[in-house]
Amino acid sequence: KNQVEQSPQSLIILEGKNCTLQCNYTVSPFSNLRWYKQDTGRGPVSLTIMTFSENTKSNGRYTATLDADTKQSSLHITASQLSDSASYICVVSAVNAGNMLTFGGGTRLMVKP
Amino acid sequence: DTGVSQDPRHKITKRGQNVTFRCDPISEHNRLYWYRQTLGQGPEFLTYFQNEAQLEKSRLLSDRFSAERPKGSFSTLEIQRTEQGDSAMYLCASSPSGQAYEQYFGPGTRLTVT
Repeated sequence: KNQVEQSPQSLIILEGKNCTLQCNYTVSPFSNLRWYKQDTGRGPVSLTIMTFSENTKSNGRYTATLDADTKQSSLHITASQLSDSASYICVVSAVNAGNMLTFGGGTRLMVKP
Repeated sequence: DTGVSQDPRHKITKRGQNVTFRCDPISEHNRLYWYRQTLGQGPEFLTYFQNEAQLEKSRLLSDRFSAERPKGSFSTLEIQRTEQGDSAMYLCASSPSGQAYEQYFGPGTRLTVT
């Protein structure tokens, strides 16, 4: 069964600090992995998308890594800001899976001043 | 605004009532998806359309749920005889045909059943 597990479930950090969110998946055969940011009460917004051959991808203060061998990804946030407070969802797509995306449960990040 | 839009943004209804939500996808996107998301969880797939054809439905989509996309543009999701367990955020997404992973989400409709 295709699954995506994220950790931690929630995280509180102080403004300006860095943090790393984890995503482990069992989706196979792997096609791509995307990190979404979801503000409270709003729809998810894509941060990065990574294919099998990509190890690292950055989007501003967000850097995603992918290890396709161990089926793990991480999202690193540098110099956190209050506006980073949100849920971060890892989503994995399988080859030939048509419409099917497998969503993780998300990590709820709270950045405090 | 060329993103995915949903209406209404919030809906409060009494148990047993029917509700209908609307989703307007990005205009050039052939595929349209509906998801349900409960607090603290990731979205769960409900159904998707390729143009006007409903191609897949999750077993989460009980007989009380029906979705349509009559002209291959906007879509509606109706819940009949709502139950308290239906309280959730209902998300709509759209994607170009053949690029299902490129899903763009709308802001969602938050349903509260009292």
